[in-house]
Amino acid sequence: ILNVEQSPQSLHVQEGDSTNFTCSFPSSNFYALHWYRWETAKSPEALFVMTLNGDEKKKGRISATLNTKEGYSYLYIKGSQPEDSATYLCASLSTAGGTSYGKLTFGQGTILTVHP
Amino acid sequence: ETGVTQTPRHLVMGMTNKKSLKCEQHLGHNAMYWYKQSAKKPLELMFVYNFKEQTENNSVPSRFSPECPNSSHLFLHLHTLQPEDSALYLCASSQDGAGGETQYFGPGTRLLVL
Repeated sequence: ILNVEQSPQSLHVQEGDSTNFTCSFPSSNFYALHWYRWETAKSPEALFVMTLNGDEKKKGRISATLNTKEGYSYLYIKGSQPEDSATYLCASLSTAGGTSYGKLTFGQGTILTVHP
Repeated sequence: ETGVTQTPRHLVMGMTNKKSLKCEQHLGHNAMYWYKQSAKKPLELMFVYNFKEQTENNSVPSRFSPECPNSSHLFLHLHTLQPEDSALYLCASSQDGAGGETQYFGPGTRLLVL
């Protein structure tokens, strides 16, 4: 995988459903994986920054896992609410020359719509 | 409210105009970023500044000229733009520019080039 890819592109669920989506990223020279939530007309909001293989992070009803060896991360939302409707972005950072500085590469996002 | 503000929020300009986008962060961060999101494309990094020094230029055309006079302010000067430069321009900041840090985004400037 050369780019960051997210699937599905969009998702419609009913209130109360649990859902998950995937971020695939280049596994070579991996340094960090970021998840952001972006509501319409607002600023992207950071959810998680993950660096360790096997890491799992949780924030309320949202959690994320990371597999750096195979290059994927899952984001889970338990009991979706209408206010969870947003675009969920992931971005990866690879190291170059041993430095963690450099550019985040973003996926196109998963658009989640939660219907009441 | 993320602590990062951008002005203007919307901008319409002709191809011969010169305009500037402004970003200000109130978080005490030392790294600032410009991103571009064109229609149906992912967010794309344009420039990175660490401690007022440019550390990344992601092959951006010279009609986009960034300026970082201090760690709290970042400008993007625009001149002789093309219609395909119409996009949402986002500013972000982080503590020191390391990849493991959270980036805090502004609300963006929606630019239309006629």
